[in-house]
Amino acid sequence: VQLVESGGGLVKPGGSLRLSCAASGFTFSTYSMNWVRLAPGKGLEWVSSISSSSNYIYYADSLKGRFTISRDNAKNSLFLQMNSLRVEDTAIYYCARDSRRGTREFDSWGQGTPVTVSS
Amino acid sequence: DIQMTQSPSTLSASVGDRVTITCRASQSVSTWLAWYQQKPGKAPNLLIYKASTLESGVPSRFSGSGSGTEFTLTISSLQPDDFATYYCQQYNNYWTFGQGTKVEIK
Repeated sequence: VQLVESGGGLVKPGGSLRLSCAASGFTFSTYSMNWVRLAPGKGLEWVSSISSSSNYIYYADSLKGRFTISRDNAKNSLFLQMNSLRVEDTAIYYCARDSRRGTREFDSWGQGTPVTVSS
Repeated sequence: DIQMTQSPSTLSASVGDRVTITCRASQSVSTWLAWYQQKPGKAPNLLIYKASTLESGVPSRFSGSGSGTEFTLTISSLQPDDFATYYCQQYNNYWTFGQGTKVEIK
């Protein structure tokens, strides 16, 4: 199992970024996927989740509709579109796979991509 | 929303010590509780799921217990590789992590 995030970087407040997560080593289309972030000096925070066929999508309340999760099963890829970015969105963003057991803990993680929101 | 509270926030211990971390949920999560280990600059690593089941490949010195709202992670004999930050996570109702417990060298 390999998950590789990309797309992070430095962006000004109010700007946008689109994160990607390339998956390999497993049948991507059969797994729910997630985004989790780690802000400086803070703990892990669940951001969003998407089911295998994109039928079920969930977001943390704190995002207030600014982020959109999506996936392309044909390309084994997960995405996170982040709009109206705020300084407090500065974090390392990880993609994570739901457990191979079909339960909702996360058994595989990428190494993360850093997002810095600063003027 | 379910809130998860870990204690302590920081723990100083020596190699060979028995270490216990507590996680409390604001409402029952049954046994839908996982523990992760994270080292600086690395991705989190799943240690325990369903409150007490050891993930494949995780050393047996790690164990978990609890149900409902009270959970513990125990390291029976702390090893040098165990100095890290530990997080609990509920997945009964969406997903929530605790704030983390940093295990430091005493």
